[in-house]
Amino acid sequence: AQSVTQPDIHITVSEGASLELRCNYSYGATPYLFWYVQSPGQGLQLLLKYFSGDTLVQGIKGFEAEFKRSQSSFNLRKPSVHWSDAAEYFCAVGPGSGGGADGLTFGKGTHLIIQP
Amino acid sequence: DVKVTQSSRYLVKRTGEKVFLECVQDMDHENMFWYRQDPGLGLRLIYFSYDVKMKEKGDIPEGYSVSREKKERFSLILESASTNQTSMYLCASSLFGGAGANVLTFGAGSRLTVL
Repeated sequence: AQSVTQPDIHITVSEGASLELRCNYSYGATPYLFWYVQSPGQGLQLLLKYFSGDTLVQGIKGFEAEFKRSQSSFNLRKPSVHWSDAAEYFCAVGPGSGGGADGLTFGKGTHLIIQP
Repeated sequence: DVKVTQSSRYLVKRTGEKVFLECVQDMDHENMFWYRQDPGLGLRLIYFSYDVKMKEKGDIPEGYSVSREKKERFSLILESASTNQTSMYLCASSLFGGAGANVLTFGAGSRLTVL
């Protein structure tokens, strides 16, 4: 069974500082990988996705993520955070090209706090 | 853009009541999903559907049922609500096959409180 681990429940970062949110997955083959963001009281918005090819993917709002097969990781980064980035961030894994469309498996989320 | 609309943002119900959560998507997506979100547990899949009148159990289907009579509408039903079903419920949709099937678009959520 596939699983996703986000080791950090909470992260506090100063505005303007760089950010890295960690994500590790467990899956038998190369999965599809996603990062979603959830602002308070809202649904989830897709930040970026990885299907294949270039292991560094760019997303919306200045975010990027790097797929590292050897480490089973898909960490999210941003060079300089803004107060509006405060939110809950979810990493998710899908079954990849060989699997069916039976939904994504999500990590438990990382709550990002931005200090002024 | 795909829009997924959950008609009820906030609901308060009593134990034992029957509860309907409605979800409508406007982009002709085949797949629709219901997730439950709880603090510290992330999102857990309750049910999904890949076609009208088709449904599949997710990871936590107990206490829930679903209905999909039309392609654009997917309803989550709590036959007899209990306090442990107090949660945020998220609906999502996606295309049927290929990589697009994995790209979920979410609604804003329905926060249910059962007293």
